[in-house]
Amino acid sequence: GQNIDQPTEMTATEGAIVQINCTYQTSGFNGLFWYQQHAGEAPTFLSYNVLDGLEEKGRFSSFLSRSKGYSYLLLKELQMKDSASYLCAVRDSNYQLIWGAGTKLIIKP
Amino acid sequence: DGGITQSPKYLFRKEGQNVTLSCEQNLNHDAMYWYRQDPGQGLRLIYYSQIVNDFQKGDIAEGYSVSREKKESFPLTVTSAQKNPTAFYLCASSTGVANEQFFGPGTRLTVL
Repeated sequence: GQNIDQPTEMTATEGAIVQINCTYQTSGFNGLFWYQQHAGEAPTFLSYNVLDGLEEKGRFSSFLSRSKGYSYLLLKELQMKDSASYLCAVRDSNYQLIWGAGTKLIIKP
Repeated sequence: DGGITQSPKYLFRKEGQNVTLSCEQNLNHDAMYWYRQDPGQGLRLIYYSQIVNDFQKGDIAEGYSVSREKKESFPLTVTSAQKNPTAFYLCASSTGVANEQFFGPGTRLTVL
């Protein structure tokens, strides 16, 4: 079966750095996405990785290792507005997105 | 402004009634999708459409129906056959199945 694993919840302090991990087992691989979702709102696109390595975009970076079936999202200089759920999704061999359950990130002052 | 609209944001229905959720996009995207989101679970694909007048079942299509008569519109009907219809429903679109998806604000359906 296809499976995406993420921690259910994480807590971090304002101004700090947090790393959210995602491991996957899917039928084929055609890219990995990270989305941010505030409570009761739509997911918004953060990053996309298809090759191994680190993609940096401002305070957010995403890393991929295809051989390990592993990705992480790194958030730097955390702000209170970063409190949200972070969704990992993998595009499989049929170009369908398989979604993780999301990681709820709580930022404390 | 380009985007995806879903209406209404909150919807209440009695058990046994069919209900249709609206999804409209003005992004000129070919592909559109319907997902269901339940607490503690990942998004699950209900139906998707890659082109007008064509759509395919996703992982949990039972109890749902869709139509794609216009490029901009992809309404979802939740029928009385859907056993657990109470959920948050998200519509999305993309330029193609290989590209990132953009989401609408969602409709929270509660069946009483």
